[in-house]
Amino acid sequence: AQSVTQLDSHVSVSEGTPVLLRCNYSSSYSPSLFWYVQHPNKGLQLLLKYTSAATLVKGINGFEAEFKKSETSFHLTKPSAHMSDAAEYFCVVSDRNNNDMRFGAGTRLTVKP
Amino acid sequence: EAGVAQSPRYKIIEKRQSVAFWCNPISGHATLYWYQQILGQGPKLLIQFQNNGVVDDSQLPKDRFSAERLKGVDSTLKIQPAKLEDSAVYLCASSPSRLAGYVTDTQYFGPGTRLTVL
Repeated sequence: AQSVTQLDSHVSVSEGTPVLLRCNYSSSYSPSLFWYVQHPNKGLQLLLKYTSAATLVKGINGFEAEFKKSETSFHLTKPSAHMSDAAEYFCVVSDRNNNDMRFGAGTRLTVKP
Repeated sequence: EAGVAQSPRYKIIEKRQSVAFWCNPISGHATLYWYQQILGQGPKLLIQFQNNGVVDDSQLPKDRFSAERLKGVDSTLKIQPAKLEDSAVYLCASSPSRLAGYVTDTQYFGPGTRLTVL
């Protein structure tokens, strides 16, 4: 079965500095990979997804992620953090055969002024 | 387009009571999911429907949890009787129809129902 490990439970950055949220996955098949964001008291929102097309995936709000099969990683980055980016971020792996999505434990991003 | 709707948004009950949550997916989405998100953890899939049939309920505690999607649209998740460890946010999600040979697997989530069991 597929699984996801988010390497940091909490990341703190200053506004205007780069963001890096790390994710490693395990999957027996070619996976689909996603990043979702969850703001307090809001639903999960899709940031971006990888489904075997280009390995560098661009998402909303300036986020992007790179699929690296050799490293089994799908790290999320943003060049310059904004206060509104403060939220919980989830890396997700899916087996495309049955749509079984497995979530990581989440990374809480704090953005300091 | 309208998103996934859930109600109620918050519910507080005593242990051993019963509770029900309702979900209305995005119009035209054939697949519906219920997740449980315990504080500090990622969501965990409880059950997946394709139209009104169950695709996966392997992680649903069937002695106390039940779910139905009778007409292939709205769904209800019930807990009876509730335990303290059921305190969590219950998320509903939907995704477009599964097409032959291709699975459209982006899931769209509702705002969730926060359940507190005292």
